[in-house]
Amino acid sequence: NAGVTQTPKFRVLKTGQSMTLLCAQDMNHEYMYWYRQDPGMGLRLIHYSVGEGTTAKGEVPDGYNVSRLKKQNFLLGLESAAPSQTSVYFCASSRTGSSYNSPLHFGNGTRLTVT
Amino acid sequence: KQEVTQIPAALSVPEGENLVLNCSFTDSAIYNLQWFRQDPGKGLTSLLLIQSSQREQTSGRLNASLDKSSGRSTLYIAASQPGDSATYLCAVRGRAETSGSRLTFGEGTQLTVNP
Repeated sequence: NAGVTQTPKFRVLKTGQSMTLLCAQDMNHEYMYWYRQDPGMGLRLIHYSVGEGTTAKGEVPDGYNVSRLKKQNFLLGLESAAPSQTSVYFCASSRTGSSYNSPLHFGNGTRLTVT
Repeated sequence: KQEVTQIPAALSVPEGENLVLNCSFTDSAIYNLQWFRQDPGKGLTSLLLIQSSQREQTSGRLNASLDKSSGRSTLYIAASQPGDSATYLCAVRGRAETSGSRLTFGEGTQLTVNP
């Protein structure tokens, strides 16, 4: 009963380094999302995907790239990390996007620090 | 642009007390409103989802109401317990969105229930 799994849980990067965050869901959900959570700013949508092979920009996409090669996986990449990207990153999934009754399921987050 | 506000930012109550958390939103054209719980260092857990056509939803000791015309929702917790201590967030999904699920989150209310 895994739900949404994020790896890694913690990571420290130096400015300019790159990394990929992995999200996997086992609920056969069509929609997947990446959010970042920062004090005083709440959760903000970075990118999302409405199905395998699709991606779209959210509210704060700059500095990030994503890929959805398989339905169950959604990858978030940082090509050149900056201190402003220090945050907690959450992946979420939902069965559909516009259905009235399609709640989001969240992973436990990745805490990223960029020094 | 949709804005979601939660008041108070923090609340401390003795065990057994009934309490109400508030959520307000600026654009009443919404698909649904969702209440989440977040424990420290964890992701968000969906508690209740209220469709735009509904007035309330109940789950155990939790009752969420929605007054779309006034842009308000409340989460009522009956007979609070120390295990209810967490941050509670509300999020609205706007009808104006195209594909994808762009929820707008409030910053949350941090609840502490004292034994």
